[in-house]
Amino acid sequence: GAVVSQHPSRVICKSGTSVKIECRSLDFQATTMFWYRQFPKKSLMLMATSNEGSKATYEQGVEKDKFLINHASLTLSTLTVTSAHPEDSSFYICSARGTRTGELFFGEGSRLTVL
Amino acid sequence: AQKVTQAQTEISVVEKEDVTLDCVYETRDTTYYLFWYKQPPSGELVFLIRRNSFDEQNEISGRYSWNFQKSTSSFNFTITASQVVDSAVYFCALSEVATNAGKSTFGDGTTLTVKP
Repeated sequence: GAVVSQHPSRVICKSGTSVKIECRSLDFQATTMFWYRQFPKKSLMLMATSNEGSKATYEQGVEKDKFLINHASLTLSTLTVTSAHPEDSSFYICSARGTRTGELFFGEGSRLTVL
Repeated sequence: AQKVTQAQTEISVVEKEDVTLDCVYETRDTTYYLFWYKQPPSGELVFLIRRNSFDEQNEISGRYSWNFQKSTSSFNFTITASQVVDSAVYFCALSEVATNAGKSTFGDGTTLTVKP
């Protein structure tokens, strides 16, 4: 069946560096992808909607310059956490909606730890 | 607006007991997806099931079973003969396809502890 792959699954970085997380739809095209974040002991919250070929739509309270989202192709969206700080440490997960069928699939998630 | 309620914040059972995790959702869409995820202490999110709104058949996968009832807007998850390894946080999620283009709303999660 359709698969959404996230990479890396775990990343540790130093404070001040930037980290890129990829979300790929492996055997289907996805015009729309979504990025979620999980705060400690909390549920997952939508950060932004990523649309192929256009700017991402961010949810209220999410810093656009902090969390750069690029959806350059129908199979790839990237989330870049810029100038990461320890408070950015979190679990990030994406989902992708199939262009043709409208079906929705989630990636496995990426755990970011900022030291 | 879509909403997911997992009323049980924490559940504790003894190994081999059956346990049901409740999930109630609200949506105005006729086309939507429901998901269950498991998040063990290690932190990753493990996909358990995806169900679309047109498929009300209950599903069984080993010790896991799901009861989808559109009439009560519920998508409950039962673990039969629970094991210590089932201890985790379980999330139910809803994705509206028509009005929200697939945006997902997660419940707050239910923390299941299975004691030996």
